[in-house]
Formats: sequence, C-alpha cells, structure tokens
Amino acid sequence: GAVVSQHPSWVICKSGTSVKIECRSLDFQATTMFWYRQFPKQSLMLMATSNEGSKATYEQGVEKDKFLINHASLTLSTLTVTSAHPEDSSFYICSARDLGQYSNQPQHFGDGTRLSIL
Amino acid sequence: GNSVTQMEGPVTLSEEAFLTINCTYTATGYPSLFWYVQYPGEGLQLLLKATKADDKGSNKGFEATYRKETTSFHLEKGSVQVSDSAVYFCALSGDSNYQLIWGAGTKLIIKP
Repeated sequence: GAVVSQHPSWVICKSGTSVKIECRSLDFQATTMFWYRQFPKQSLMLMATSNEGSKATYEQGVEKDKFLINHASLTLSTLTVTSAHPEDSSFYICSARDLGQYSNQPQHFGDGTRLSIL
Repeated sequence: GNSVTQMEGPVTLSEEAFLTINCTYTATGYPSLFWYVQYPGEGLQLLLKATKADDKGSNKGFEATYRKETTSFHLEKGSVQVSDSAVYFCALSGDSNYQLIWGAGTKLIIKP
C-alpha cells in the first residue's frame, strides 16, 4: 500500500518550455504533498508544501511564479516548471502524507523526475 | 531549529564488512527518526524508522537505535553486500505538518 506515482520519470526539453510533473497517490488520500529538488550528490531541498484545495507554501528562495504547484484533489498534485532554463535541470521528487496514518508515519515518495533543459 | 547531521561520505567498504553510518540530531520535543535509501537513479525508499527513545528500527539486515541521551540514530549492518551500494539519508520528523528534516546523505560504496 501507500504507493506514490510520479510522472514523467525523465524529460528532456528545450529552453523556454514549460514542463508539468504529476504526483499521484494511488491507494490513499493525501491532504499534504511535498515537492523536493535534489542537485547531484546533494541532499533533498524542500521546495514547497502542497495542501489540497489551498495555495502551496513555498520555502524561502523558491520562486512561486517559476514553480507552479496545484493540488486540486486528494490524490493529485502537479508541479509546473514555467519557461524552464538549463539551471532548472535537476531531479525533482514528490512525496505524500497519508491521511489515514498516524502523525509519526513517514511521507511516501515518488520515484522522482529527472528534468534536463537543453 | 531542528537539524540532522550525518557523517560525510563516501564510505567505501569491502563486501561482508561491518557498516556504521553516524547520524546525530537536534530537535525539540520527541521527534521520529528515519533512514531512507536512494539507489542510483531512483527515488527514496524508507529503510527503517523509530518513533521513541530506545526503539530499534530494523529492515534488510540494517538496524538503528533511537538514543535520546546521545541524540543519535546510527545506522548499522553486520555484513554488507555490493547491492547495498546507495546513498543513505537520515531524517527526522517532529513538525505537525509532517515535514522531514534531512541529513546531507552518505554515499556507500561496497566493493566485491
């Protein structure tokens, strides 16, 4: 149980293109989802916390107009990288909090999306 | 604020060696502690967890004990395999919004 599906797993696109990444909880409801960015050989950097039906909370230094997050249902959150440039190339990972779990249960992670901007 | 400190990598060991990856934390209250593993090119998988002091989490031969007196959660395995090569992240959760605070990650390389 508690499967999170992230799509696409890998995308290559030209500079200036907008890219949408989907994060779905397949067998549970997730009121809260998290979006992370991971640079090569580094730890995860939390970009934003996404709550269903409300605006995402962005971490300091993350451009909300560049990284648009929508969490329209209890099973789907999307991250759109708008007008992507080479410096946006990275590994993006989503995770979801299971509504039915105790507060000390972990987040469930997607497999990540490797974004390469040419 | 809360923080997690892991030993720097890479850690290189021979197959069947004993593994320890140190993790210490700073937190208010009573956080839950986790170890995640990331295999090359993949996302994160929960390896084990402990939710209160003196709890021992274990999985796939790995184990870690929640030591409140030393604020530590060191990861150990008695005999590593080549397939254990990955990056290991220590993390804590103590926030009501279930955010995870991450260590920097430790790359483990096991040579045959």
